Amino acid sequence: AQKVTQAQTEISVVEKEDVTLDCVYETRDTTYYLFWYKQPPSGELVFLIRRNSFDEQNEISGRYSWNFQKSTSSFNFTITASQVVDSAVYFCALSGYNFNKFYFGSGTKLNVKP
Amino acid sequence: DSGVTQTPKHLITATGQRVTLRCSPRSGDLSVYWYQQSLDQGLQFLIQYYNGEERAKGNILERFSAQQFPDLHSELNLSSLELGDSALYFCASSVGFSGGGTYNEQFFGPGTRLTVL
Repeated sequence: AQKVTQAQTEISVVEKEDVTLDCVYETRDTTYYLFWYKQPPSGELVFLIRRNSFDEQNEISGRYSWNFQKSTSSFNFTITASQVVDSAVYFCALSGYNFNKFYFGSGTKLNVKP
Repeated sequence: DSGVTQTPKHLITATGQRVTLRCSPRSGDLSVYWYQQSLDQGLQFLIQYYNGEERAKGNILERFSAQQFPDLHSELNLSSLELGDSALYFCASSVGFSGGGTYNEQFFGPGTRLTVL
């Protein structure tokens, strides 16, 4: 069975702190894709990143970085020097090769306080 | 503004009724995706269309159906509505389809909030 677990329901940090959002997944597929999405208080979903199972290189985009480790089935997301605008619910997701098996985690609500 | 539009923004209806949600993708995007976000089920992928054809089907109930028209807009039809169908329904679009090893960045609409009383 495929499953995505985001154990952190809610995290609160003070602005400029670094924060890591955890994502652990389960799949029997050898080819799969992992995603992160952001849902700010306004409600819209924003696609952040896609990573395929063959590429374990870490990725950095500005203050955002992602750490993919197949050995631990984890795809963690770090925000460096957090800002109030980073306050949102962040979802990790897992997809099979054909996109029809697509599972979201339950989300982590990040509160960044000034 | 993602460029994806969804109508209506809010919809209130009664159990047993049928509703249609509409999505217009970004200009030039050929793929449309539908998602449901509810308190009980969380976020779920429902279905993907590419250039009028169904490409991938997720956890879409038999009471629900969708289609993509020649002008590329899409409609999600929900029938025999139940209280548990109350949710935020998102549409997303991308240039190409996703699947078979190909993935395209999705741009999401603001959603339609459906309340079933």
